[in-house]
Amino acid sequence: EVQLVETGGGLIQPGGSLRLSCAASGFTVSSNYMSWVRQAPGKGLEWVSVIYSGGSTYYADSVKGRFTISRDNSKNTLYLQMNSLRAEDTAVYYCARSSGYYYNWGQGTLVTVSS
Amino acid sequence: AIRMTQSPSSFSASTGDRVTITCRASQGISSYLAWYQQKPGKAPKLLIYAASTLQSGVPSRFSGSGSGTDFTLTISCLQSEDFATYYCQQYYSYLALTFGGGTKVEIK
Repeated sequence: EVQLVETGGGLIQPGGSLRLSCAASGFTVSSNYMSWVRQAPGKGLEWVSVIYSGGSTYYADSVKGRFTISRDNSKNTLYLQMNSLRAEDTAVYYCARSSGYYYNWGQGTLVTVSS
Repeated sequence: AIRMTQSPSSFSASTGDRVTITCRASQGISSYLAWYQQKPGKAPKLLIYAASTLQSGVPSRFSGSGSGTDFTLTISCLQSEDFATYYCQQYYSYLALTFGGGTKVEIK
């Protein structure tokens, strides 16, 4: 059974850093397109970043230069390193297996950026 | 970035109703469109991809149609478990994937 479990969210001050993890089971992260999608409280969905099976990475303009997506093949885990966090980064962050569209999702982890 | 506009943003319906949600892209996206269902506190669930292909396990009362810029999601006979928020998403522009603003289906 495919499972994605995100961890690492929490309360962080503006300007701070946080690393989210997404542990996968039932498939191999490195053989798939893996994405991060976020949802601000009461708002819609926003694509954040993607890492392709070949290792190429892409980011939404809103996070480019501040967030870094990566994976650890030995741990079958996806990461999102978030630096220079802003209040507008407050959201539930989901990892998802994708093929353009997102067909497996984690349960999400809440990141709150506030002083 | 391609803008996705859903309508309506919310509406009320009754169990057994046939409901249609519309999604319009700001430029042509061929059939690179997916639909998701999201319930409060839960992750989105893929319903349809390639505009009209039903994801495995999704009830056949859900259907999708359209290509180019105009798309629809139809629920043929609304069930109690279908009250949720629905999102469309384009994946034509692979480096800038975008979602619609969502349509909340509420109980009348």
